[in-house]
Amino acid sequence: GENVEQHPSTLSVQEGDSAVIKCTYSDSASNYFPWYKQELGKRPQLIIDIRSNVGEKKDQRIAVTLNKTAKHFSLHITETQPEDSAVYFCAASRYAWELSFGAGTTVTVRA
Amino acid sequence: EADIYQTPRYLVIGTGKKITLECSQTMGHDKMYWYQQDPGMELHLIHYSYGVNSTEKGDLSSESTVSRIRTEHFPLTLESARPSHTSQYLCASSGTSGVTGELFFGEGSRLTVL
Repeated sequence: GENVEQHPSTLSVQEGDSAVIKCTYSDSASNYFPWYKQELGKRPQLIIDIRSNVGEKKDQRIAVTLNKTAKHFSLHITETQPEDSAVYFCAASRYAWELSFGAGTTVTVRA
Repeated sequence: EADIYQTPRYLVIGTGKKITLECSQTMGHDKMYWYQQDPGMELHLIHYSYGVNSTEKGDLSSESTVSRIRTEHFPLTLESARPSHTSQYLCASSGTSGVTGELFFGEGSRLTVL
């Protein structure tokens, strides 16, 4: 099965700085890579996703890049704000509905 | 409003009790899932279903069982709860479209077994 590793496990950034979270996956057939954000006490929610036919996708302050050759993908958050503080999970799958999640990254944005 | 509902939200029970966690969705989705998650930790898939009468075990071995008799309903049952079952259980659903695989999660059921 798919194995997804996520780094770092915790990340503390100054407000306004950028945050980068990296994930690697093992199954070269995986072609769908979503990112979920889970605020404290809340349910996880999809924030951005990318498919293997695209190298980069951007949505306002967040962007995801994918390197299929190296089997890794990253989440970039620019101009971080306090509301970006949360746990972020990457995931990978061959099919959109069979996701393998990373262990999560706790992001803290310092005011 | 279309959503995914879980009950109970919190449950504290004694060892050996039988419990059922309920999950219902009004999203019109065919696929449903149960994840186990300790607070802020990794999401582990324990069961999933592609539709009525379809159930599969996930990556994480679990002593729980599930059923899918109706499209909108996907309950999880523990026949004899133990302290090791203490965790949060998240139900999720996703649609039939191949364009998006977005998972929609419920608010979770936090189980404590004494």
